[in-house]
Amino acid sequence: ETGVTQTPRHLVMGMTNKKSLKCEQHLGHNAMYWYKQSAKKPLELMFVYNFKEQTENNSVPSRFSPECPNSSHLFLHLHTLQPEDSALYLCASSQGILNYGYTFGSGTRLTVV
Amino acid sequence: DQQVKQNSPSLSVQEGRISILNCDYTNSMFDYFLWYKKYPAEGPTFLISISSIKDKNEDGRFTVFLNKSAKHLSLHIVPSQPGDSAVYFCAPHTGGFKTIFGAGTRLFVKA
Repeated sequence: ETGVTQTPRHLVMGMTNKKSLKCEQHLGHNAMYWYKQSAKKPLELMFVYNFKEQTENNSVPSRFSPECPNSSHLFLHLHTLQPEDSALYLCASSQGILNYGYTFGSGTRLTVV
Repeated sequence: DQQVKQNSPSLSVQEGRISILNCDYTNSMFDYFLWYKKYPAEGPTFLISISSIKDKNEDGRFTVFLNKSAKHLSLHIVPSQPGDSAVYFCAPHTGGFKTIFGAGTRLFVKA
């Protein structure tokens, strides 16, 4: 499969649950990103990884925990979320800093109940 | 502190006419400006970009204009097609790995 793949597409979880979002890219890109899109708000950058190293944490609460085991995979571990964390979570990748165009996945629609 | 503003939440245009989507920014350190298009239930897709050292970039039906003194850029689509109906995001780049997205403008192209 080509492009950026995110699983699951939809997730409903309780506030005490622990779940993980997965992102995979087969484009040979070395940078990967998590973005959050809440209703009627711009996309918000959450985390950036470059060559598996985290280079950006945009003041994200600790209930969101990213993991990047290699340049092709990115996870977002979720625990004790709040209803206001319900949003579309988008993963993206790029070929480093010299190529500014990102390739996005289709996103995971998360609902916290 | 909104560094990127797309003041028109929506725009409706007749097929074949020109669509003009606008974007204003406040940060003079932006070095690259990108436009993304997003269809429902899909992630954004990169459309066209422009470097801060240029004032125009054209790619087929899509042209982006940059006015640095006014801190304003615009995306022109001509002729507009029904398949162009989507949400368009202005996304300036600040250097490093940081791209900031505007709130988006929903374009409707009527057949």
